[in-house]
Amino acid sequence: GAGVSQSPSNKVTEKGKDVELRCDPISGHTALYWYRQSLGQGLEFLIYFQGNSAPDKSGLPSDRFSAERTGGSVSTLTIQRTQQEDSAVYLCASSRAVNEETQYFGPGTRLLVL
Amino acid sequence: AQSVTQPDIHITVSEGASLELRCNYSYGATPYLFWYVQSPGQGLQLLLKYFSGDTLVQGIKGFEAEFKRSQSSFNLRKPSVHWSDAAEYFCAVGARRGSTLGRLYFGRGTQLTVWP
Repeated sequence: GAGVSQSPSNKVTEKGKDVELRCDPISGHTALYWYRQSLGQGLEFLIYFQGNSAPDKSGLPSDRFSAERTGGSVSTLTIQRTQQEDSAVYLCASSRAVNEETQYFGPGTRLLVL
Repeated sequence: AQSVTQPDIHITVSEGASLELRCNYSYGATPYLFWYVQSPGQGLQLLLKYFSGDTLVQGIKGFEAEFKRSQSSFNLRKPSVHWSDAAEYFCAVGARRGSTLGRLYFGRGTQLTVWP
């Protein structure tokens, strides 16, 4: 596609439910990144993928957060047993490679946990 | 630890006035440097980047930024602001190598308001 796409654009869920957020990167981009944007913490790195592997998961805030990428393309970020503090905008980005490459961002998924 | 500081949370300028948004970083070596812009409800759009070479970089929409190694700064400038420039601006740094390769560290952002 022309750019990074994310779905859903908005998600409202109840505390304790699981949610899945999807990211479709720019075609041909091997690297994919997840960030979280919240009022309290600003923009935070969560995880990135090089192909299907995740060399750096250290930004995931707890073990309730996980992500996978299959076929070197689409990625899913899963949050289990959501908490109110998980409410944020989750941004996905992709780049042609990890090093010396620009990250292009999607529009984000706005998650609200009630 | 890596950090990015944007000291101005909110800046207001008149249309046609010049603009400078400040960005300072703390990093062990010269990082990659970026400026992104975010309009309400939108993702981040890249304005410009510095990887190497000329320390004055040109970007889209008439923006430029200058990398000053001695000051650990990467300030964003525009000679004449347009009303459509109203948005939030983020400075970011990224590692050239090492364990944090791949991740960007962002400043807290500067909200720009433009008066007609």
